[in-house]
Amino acid sequence: KAGVTQTPRYLIKTRGQQVTLSCSPISGHRSVSWYQQTPGQGLQFLFEYFSETQRNKGNFPGRFSGRQFSNSRSEMNVSTLELGDSALYLCASSIRDGYYEQYFGPGTRLTVT
Amino acid sequence: GDSVTQMEGPVTLSEEAFLTINCTYTATGYPSLFWYVQYPGEGLQLLLKATKADDKGSNKGFEATYRKETTSFHLEKGSVQVSDSAVYFCALSDLAGANSKLTFGKGITLSVRP
Repeated sequence: KAGVTQTPRYLIKTRGQQVTLSCSPISGHRSVSWYQQTPGQGLQFLFEYFSETQRNKGNFPGRFSGRQFSNSRSEMNVSTLELGDSALYLCASSIRDGYYEQYFGPGTRLTVT
Repeated sequence: GDSVTQMEGPVTLSEEAFLTINCTYTATGYPSLFWYVQYPGEGLQLLLKATKADDKGSNKGFEATYRKETTSFHLEKGSVQVSDSAVYFCALSDLAGANSKLTFGKGITLSVRP
């Protein structure tokens, strides 16, 4: 069974631009969560989607948003990029919400210049 | 809120040495506990887990026991290999409200010398 895939793997953007990252969960998994990983803050939870509904949200500004499609694929969007948004963005999928075994993708490395 | 505290790193060991990585947690409910490993350039892989007090998770020679009385979940391995070099994260999931949010520790880098 294929793992979690994330596209693109690497991205360079300029301050003020917006970016969209994509995540395809493991087949059959219906819950997708997003995390931001930085050297300073470590791994921080962004949000979780299940059945196209946001079930939980971390403490990030409204510039960070996401959505989930009927096929469980998910996208996250960051608008008005700031230098501090440079990070590795990790997506994780699980069978359903509340089911605690999450499987992570390789991440998208975003660099904001 | 929930939090996870890991010992400061990095840690450098010789091959076949004994490994202990400390992890303590704070949670309002009864969390599940996890160790994840991240190899260079990759995402996180679940190493082991424990869902209730006194459970022992084990995988690939690594073990950790859920200690509710000391709110700890220390990772141990009897004999490390060069291939164990990676970053290790302790994490918890408080399933109250049926959410899957993981709270992670800062991570610790392990380097194993031949």
